[in-house]
Amino acid sequence: DIQMTQSPASLSASLEEIVTITCQASQDIGNWLSWYQQKPGKSPQLLIYGATSLADGVPSRFSGSRSGTQYSLKISRLQVEDIGIYYCLQAYSAPPWTFGGGTKLELK
Amino acid sequence: QVNLLQSGAALVKPGASVKLSCKASGYTFTDYYIHWVKQSHGKSLEWIGYINPNSGYTNYNEKFKSKATLTVDKSTNTAYMELSRLTSEDSATYYCTRDSGGDFDYWGQGVMVTVSS
Repeated sequence: DIQMTQSPASLSASLEEIVTITCQASQDIGNWLSWYQQKPGKSPQLLIYGATSLADGVPSRFSGSRSGTQYSLKISRLQVEDIGIYYCLQAYSAPPWTFGGGTKLELK
Repeated sequence: QVNLLQSGAALVKPGASVKLSCKASGYTFTDYYIHWVKQSHGKSLEWIGYINPNSGYTNYNEKFKSKATLTVDKSTNTAYMELSRLTSEDSATYYCTRDSGGDFDYWGQGVMVTVSS
């Protein structure tokens, strides 16, 4: 199975700061990578699909990129409502679909 | 608008089974696969399996093959997941989610299952 190594596990940042979260795939997954945000007590929500495409209704301060087997989620100017846990998900070698371990984003 | 409405929280005894439901609305139920995902408290997400509501075809994570059974009722646009021989390791929140081509675009609100005597 493909492993998705997500980093950092936790992150503390200030409002308006640029935040970057990464996922490293254990092998090539092409653009079969999506990102999700989970706010406390809520279900995950799709942010980015196809590694770089913004899901409907997601603010443009979120963006996704790819460099080889490393994928990044960037928040250009952190807002209060962005606090939560972020997960990546690979669907290239699926089944099984595999999630990253998550990144907990907090306000400094 | 698309909505996946899951059944309420469940408290079940060790060794018992539980059947969770996920009622879809706002789209053609048979056009999209439904997946189930497990989230243990404070942990990451684990993919359990998926079902094709049109054909009933299922595919499971090896880890959950003897634990979960996925079914659908097309007449009520409802997907089900039955978990059997429950232990404390099965205590978790379970989500159903819609597959829009490899990614999961809509999620149910989640259902917490607690296994306790």
